[in-house]
Amino acid sequence: QSVLTQPPSVSGAPGQRVTISCTGSTSNIGAGYGVHWYQQLPGTAPKLLIYVNNNRPSGVSDRFSGSKTGTSASLAISGLQAEDAADYYCQSYDSTLRGRVFGAGTKLTVL
Amino acid sequence: QLQLQESGPGLVKPSETLSLTCTVSGGSITNNNYYWGWIRQPPGKGLEWIGSVYYSGTTYYTPSLKSRVTISVDTSRNQFSLRVSSVTAADTAVYYCAIEHREDYFDFWGQGTLITVSS
Repeated sequence: QSVLTQPPSVSGAPGQRVTISCTGSTSNIGAGYGVHWYQQLPGTAPKLLIYVNNNRPSGVSDRFSGSKTGTSASLAISGLQAEDAADYYCQSYDSTLRGRVFGAGTKLTVL
Repeated sequence: QLQLQESGPGLVKPSETLSLTCTVSGGSITNNNYYWGWIRQPPGKGLEWIGSVYYSGTTYYTPSLKSRVTISVDTSRNQFSLRVSSVTAADTAVYYCAIEHREDYFDFWGQGTLITVSS
């Protein structure tokens, strides 16, 4: 069981905006550690999408944005496109486990 | 641009030791801005951080695997390695090596290699 909780699945129609939540605790997100997001397209390696809560690496579309409040974080995807269909993972550091932790992942379906 | 490539046997027998190497190209493994990490993903499941190593040899492991895992670095070959002992079917997964930024996120990933544990 992951220490970071994500919904198993979300869906949206093309052009819509969807959000994916990542709920942690006071030993990870709530302790001030950064939250990072990855996109994994089918059959490929994960790709860094958002780092340290709300920063986009060069080349990542500004349709992707991240936020963090308290012990939770969210990834928002606006102007949904068919190619956004993928698995999305949040990740942080946990002081109790003394290591990096991932959420279980959320499967995004574009209707 | 930094690139990573995993190499390993593909098939490992139960109770034996899994050994993987990640070769770094396009930059030096002694770059003090990075750690070098291993992450795995069982078929159809999520990501699990295994551990990370700094070029100095300092290591960090996930508690659940710590007793069976060793990660090392070879600066002369620009490589880092993973060993997992006493493997079982539960260790069957795609294993990724990745560049880890000092703020604990994984910048770039190798393409991954599937390791199957089976007799």
